[in-house]
Amino acid sequence: QVQLQESGPGLVKPSETLSLTCTVSSDSVNSGNYFWTWIRQPPGKGLEWIGDIYRSGNTDYNPSLKSRVTLSIDTSKNQFSLKLSSVTAADTAVYFCARQRDFPRGYFDYWGQGTVVTVSS
Amino acid sequence: YEVTQSLSVSVALGQTAKITCGGDNIGSKNVHWYQQRPGQAPVLVIYRDTYRPSGIPERFSGSNSGNTATLTISRAQAGDEADYYCQVWDSSTAFFGGGTRLTVL
Repeated sequence: QVQLQESGPGLVKPSETLSLTCTVSSDSVNSGNYFWTWIRQPPGKGLEWIGDIYRSGNTDYNPSLKSRVTLSIDTSKNQFSLKLSSVTAADTAVYFCARQRDFPRGYFDYWGQGTVVTVSS
Repeated sequence: YEVTQSLSVSVALGQTAKITCGGDNIGSKNVHWYQQRPGQAPVLVIYRDTYRPSGIPERFSGSNSGNTATLTISRAQAGDEADYYCQVWDSSTAFFGGGTRLTVL
């Protein structure tokens, strides 16, 4: 069973950079069959796609966040990561990592449990 | 691209619930559906309009035509109470609907 696990600080100060890592088990981020994705959900609100990364390092980002987002992938650790710069309170959310199948532009078949990130001084 | 969902749908226990997802010519796109119970991660219940992942009951089905995609839940159970989100792609961006809260009465 594929498992994804998010990790990183739960509290980030305004204007700083949010950094999260997703560790994948029972699958390989080096597999050519999937993209690896970040999605977030503000409190009480819906889901927002942040971006995808492929094993080659190719990325796609949500245009609304593109100027602040950087995704990276570490095949040796079987992990991929998210950096979101210049955060504000509006970036407070549960952040999920997920596997995207049927790419490009497919569906998300496995998700991490999510990690809560609060932006506050 | 705007994807619209009703805020809430109610269904009597054992009856059929229909949750809709609207968008301009959404019938030309692949629509995927996710179930999210409170405090949990979303779970894929329908992909590519009509396909059910392994482990999802046959009571869940989907359709997509024109400007509306529909998730149908037959013989609704208490455990089906959750938020349901549709998802599509447009111009290389993934869009989610705002979510529909399903209440089983």
